[in-house]
Amino acid sequence: NAGVTQTPKFQVLKTGQSMTLQCAQDMNHNSMYWYRQDPGMGLRLIYYSASEGTTDKGEVPNGYNVSRLNKREFSLRLESAAPSQTSVYFCASKYRDDNNSPLHFGNGTRLTVT
Amino acid sequence: AQKVTQVQTEISVVEKEDVTLDCVYETRDTTYYLFWYKQPPSGELVFLIRRNSFDEQNEISGRYSWNFQKSTSSFNFTITASQVVDSAVYFCALSEALFTSNGKLTFGQGTILTVHP
Repeated sequence: NAGVTQTPKFQVLKTGQSMTLQCAQDMNHNSMYWYRQDPGMGLRLIYYSASEGTTDKGEVPNGYNVSRLNKREFSLRLESAAPSQTSVYFCASKYRDDNNSPLHFGNGTRLTVT
Repeated sequence: AQKVTQVQTEISVVEKEDVTLDCVYETRDTTYYLFWYKQPPSGELVFLIRRNSFDEQNEISGRYSWNFQKSTSSFNFTITASQVVDSAVYFCALSEALFTSNGKLTFGQGTILTVHP
C-alpha cells in the first residue's frame, strides 16, 4: 500500500519557469491538501480539495494553482516560479467526513528556485 | 481564527533525560481536534497522536505521554528517558469542526528536539 505518493522528490527551477508537482493517493480518501514547509513557519496550507470536483484556497495560495484530476490525484502548479517559492512541499489526504482522522502525508518535494 | 503556538523553538537534551514540548492553541470552536506529528531527519511526517476536545484524558504510549488541558488550551507532549532516535522536529496541529475546517490542519511552527548521546 503506497499511501500518498509525490513526484518529483527534488526539483531546481530558474525564476520564471513553470512546473507541476504531482500527488496521488491510493487510500480512497475524499480530501487532499497541499502544504509548504519553511524554517520557523511550520506547515502552511496552500490549497485543498475537500472532495472530488472542488478546490479552495488555503493560507498562502498566491503564485499557485491546483487541479483535482480525479479522486486519487491532486496536482500543484507553479506558473512562474519565484525564489520565495523555494520550500518543501507536502501533499496530504484524509477521509472528509471524519475530522478525527489524521492527515496522511507524502514524503515531500524539495523545490529550489534560483 | 485558529492558531497554534509551540512554545519552544529548539530543545537540546542529553540521552535519558525527560523532555516536554509545549503546545498552546486558540480556537473559537467547542469541537476541535489536536494532533502531534514527528518529522525525523529523513523528512517524512509521522502521525503520533490525536485528541478531540471532549476527551481530556491523558495518554501514555511507551515513553511518550500527552497532557491535554482545556482550561489552559494546552496539549503538551513528554518524552521520558529520551533517546537519540527521538531527535526530530515535532509539530502540534489543530483542526476545527468539520463544517468550518473541511479537515484543514493548522500547524505550529515546530520544535526542533536534539538528543545528544
